[in-house]
Amino acid sequence: EVQLVESGGGLVKPGGSLRLSCAASGFTFSSYSMNWVRQAPGKGLEWVSSISSSSSYIYYADSVKGRFTISRDNAKNSLYLQMNSLRAEDTAVYYCARRLGQGRFDYWGQGTLVTVSS
Amino acid sequence: DIQMTQSPSSLSASVGDRVTITCQASQDISNYLNWYQQKPGKAPKLLIYDASNLETGVPSRFSGSGSGTDFTFTISSLQPEDIATYYCQQYDNLPPAFTFGPGTKVDIK
Repeated sequence: EVQLVESGGGLVKPGGSLRLSCAASGFTFSSYSMNWVRQAPGKGLEWVSSISSSSSYIYYADSVKGRFTISRDNAKNSLYLQMNSLRAEDTAVYYCARRLGQGRFDYWGQGTLVTVSS
Repeated sequence: DIQMTQSPSSLSASVGDRVTITCQASQDISNYLNWYQQKPGKAPKLLIYDASNLETGVPSRFSGSGSGTDFTFTISSLQPEDIATYYCQQYDNLPPAFTFGPGTKVDIK
């Protein structure tokens, strides 16, 4: 069974940093592109970042470019999101999601809440 | 950047009704269009991919159609467990990016 489990969320002050993790199991992690998608409270879904299976290709939404860094460790079946210079508007539930085919997300984690507030 | 619009933003329908949601892209996206269901407090769930393909395990009352800029998602017979918000999502490969529609909240009348 495919499982994605996020961790690392919490309360952080504006300008602070946080590192999210996503532990994958039940599939060959190293074969899939992985992504972070977020959802602000009461709002819609926003794609954040994507990393290819071998980390060769990395992309970011304009809203986080230069502040967030996506990475992965295929030996540990883990995906990461390093978030720096956090802003109030980064407050959201952050989901990791597996990408398949022409850009569909077929499996999602349960999400981890990041709250940026003083 | 490609923009996605969805309509309606919300709807109420009776059990057994046919429900239709539309999604429009600001430019031609071929069939790079997926549909998700999200229930409160839960992660999104993929229902339809590549505009019209039913994800494995998803009930056949869900369907999708369209190509280019105009897409339709249909629930042929609304069930109580279908209460959720539905999102369309497109994939753009130049540069790679994924854009979700604003969502359609479906309630039971």
